[in-house]
Amino acid sequence: QVQLQESGPGLVKPSETLSLTCIVSGGSISGYYWSWFRQPPGRELEWIGFIHYTGSSRYNPSLKSRVIMSVDTSNNQFSLKLNSVTAADTAVYYCARYGVLLAGVHYMDVWGEGVTVTVSS
Amino acid sequence: ETVLTQSPATLSLSPGETATLSCRASQSVSGHLAWYQQKAGQAPRLLIYGASNRATGIPARFSGSGSGTDFTLTISSLEPEDSAVYYCQQRGNLPETFGPGTEVDIK
Repeated sequence: QVQLQESGPGLVKPSETLSLTCIVSGGSISGYYWSWFRQPPGRELEWIGFIHYTGSSRYNPSLKSRVIMSVDTSNNQFSLKLNSVTAADTAVYYCARYGVLLAGVHYMDVWGEGVTVTVSS
Repeated sequence: ETVLTQSPATLSLSPGETATLSCRASQSVSGHLAWYQQKAGQAPRLLIYGASNRATGIPARFSGSGSGTDFTLTISSLEPEDSAVYYCQQRGNLPETFGPGTEVDIK
């Protein structure tokens, strides 16, 4: 059974870079698209972007200028970097797998448990 | 971007009753809509994808319908463990977006 685990600092200072890694266990990172989402306190989920195991990626236009995603197939993990963070970036960050395919569209079927990231000095 | 509106915001029902949740999109998403269940402190769980297809392991009590801009999630024979927030998500247009959620309380 595939499991995802996010890791990274829980506290980031304003203007610095938020860095998170999602480790994939119980299955291979190859063959799938992988994504990052976040959920600010008391609010709905927001899509940050996705990355294919080959390295191609798409980002939410609202965050595109500050986001970089990467994939490390040898270590079965993928990563998120969000630079120039502010308090508005405080959220629970989730990684997920696009594992279900229907009519050419993928849906997320496996999620990490989430990691809380607070932006504060 | 495609804005999703969910109604009602909250729903309070008794075990055994039926919950009907609505999700409306600001533009057509064809049939590319999913429903997720999220319990407090947990990650979302995929219930329905492609508007009407149950995900693996999801009980038949959960059903989805709709296309274009109007979608419905129906939960029949409610059980106490169905208490959660339910989000719709569209994958018809980038960026993919989520609705604000419907909180279902089983009293």
